[in-house]
Amino acid sequence: DQQVKQNSPSLSVQEGRISILNCDYTNSMFDYFLWYKKYPAEGPTFLISISSIKDKNEDGRFTVFLNKSAKHLSLHIVPSQPGDSAVYFCAASAIGNYQLIWGAGTKLIIKP
Amino acid sequence: DGGITQSPKYLFRKEGQNVTLSCEQNLNHDAMYWYRQDPGQGLRLIYYSQIVNDFQKGDIAEGYSVSREKKESFPLTVTSAQKNPTAFYLCASSILQGGSSDEQYFGPGTRLTVT
Repeated sequence: DQQVKQNSPSLSVQEGRISILNCDYTNSMFDYFLWYKKYPAEGPTFLISISSIKDKNEDGRFTVFLNKSAKHLSLHIVPSQPGDSAVYFCAASAIGNYQLIWGAGTKLIIKP
Repeated sequence: DGGITQSPKYLFRKEGQNVTLSCEQNLNHDAMYWYRQDPGQGLRLIYYSQIVNDFQKGDIAEGYSVSREKKESFPLTVTSAQKNPTAFYLCASSILQGGSSDEQYFGPGTRLTVT
């Protein structure tokens, strides 16, 4: 049973436009959410996170929105750049639990 | 220059052989993790360790073993009992603080191919 779902395996966006990556979760005990970026044959790198006490967190071109009632979060990248082409993973952890539960990832392709 | 190192980058083994993947971190992190990634799937947790000489099974521990004799090191052995060992293996570490998870920092990964 997938507790963290990224329903879009891939997403193609024009350079300069906004990229929106979505993530849904089922476990209401999740209180911390993270986004990671991964290039082929490399380890994931941390991008941005959000605690369940917030509904928005912003870091430069990256903004994460959390809708607790819908159990949904999204990552916005504005403006999208060629270097943003990668696989993006959503991950979540529950209160008092150090494990991260990972989504399957969304491959973002930025078109020139 | 702090970070996590995994070696080797690529590893080839014959079926039936055990193989050990190395993971070292100099970030002074308490926790270390081993994940497996298969095409089209998210990261699946194999084992994790929050403290030296202690480790816990993750979701897919069968056919794997680990040790944590030093804070800096968390080697993973893929045994011959693992049915589908060919995969990309990722090691990670994190600080443990306040009872909640923190960002995990990843090594570059080891691609293991078993034929």
